[in-house]
Amino acid sequence: GDSVTQMEGPVTLSEEAFLTINCTYTATGYPSLFWYVQYPGEGLQLLLKATKADDKGSNKGFEATYRKETTSFHLEKGSVQVSDSAVYFCALSGRSGYSTLTFGKGTMLLVSP
Amino acid sequence: DVKVTQSSRYLVKRTGEKVFLECVQDMDHENMFWYRQDPGLGLRLIYFSYDVKMKEKGDIPEGYSVSREKKERFSLILESASTNQTSMYLCASIAEREGGEQYFGPGTRLTVT
Repeated sequence: GDSVTQMEGPVTLSEEAFLTINCTYTATGYPSLFWYVQYPGEGLQLLLKATKADDKGSNKGFEATYRKETTSFHLEKGSVQVSDSAVYFCALSGRSGYSTLTFGKGTMLLVSP
Repeated sequence: DVKVTQSSRYLVKRTGEKVFLECVQDMDHENMFWYRQDPGLGLRLIYFSYDVKMKEKGDIPEGYSVSREKKERFSLILESASTNQTSMYLCASIAEREGGEQYFGPGTRLTVT
């Protein structure tokens, strides 16, 4: 079945550091790929998405590129801020017809001033 | 703005009680979902519904049931709560059948004692 593997956290960075959170997936067919973010005490919200190979999703300075050859969708940001501290979830939508999502386990990011 | 609301942010129940978690969305979305979120396990799909009175089992349906009598409302029912159902429960909805964004509620943290 479908699965998503993302790096374990917490990831601890200083403000303005470069961020990479790795995500790889296993799926049949051609899934859509997502990054969701969960700020403390809140539900999840979509950060970015890509629906086909070589697509790049971007939002709020974050980017991720859909790499079919390596089955990866790594999240990057050039300069993190304290306000980026949150839990980040990689997900795929592969079960056709109902848009169900398969999530990774989440990676906590802690950014210090 | 799409809004997904959940009836309670925090809930404490006793073992054996029947528990209802309510979710309401205000954007006429067809598909609605219930997940549970546990540390180290990420989000796991319990049940979803693609239309009124229609439901499908997710990955971990055991011990749960659902009800969708109206399009905007999707209820999760714990027939006889157990301590291993202590968790964060997240509801989500989506308009599109394929590849669309899921909108999440703020979550209900349920503690079963």
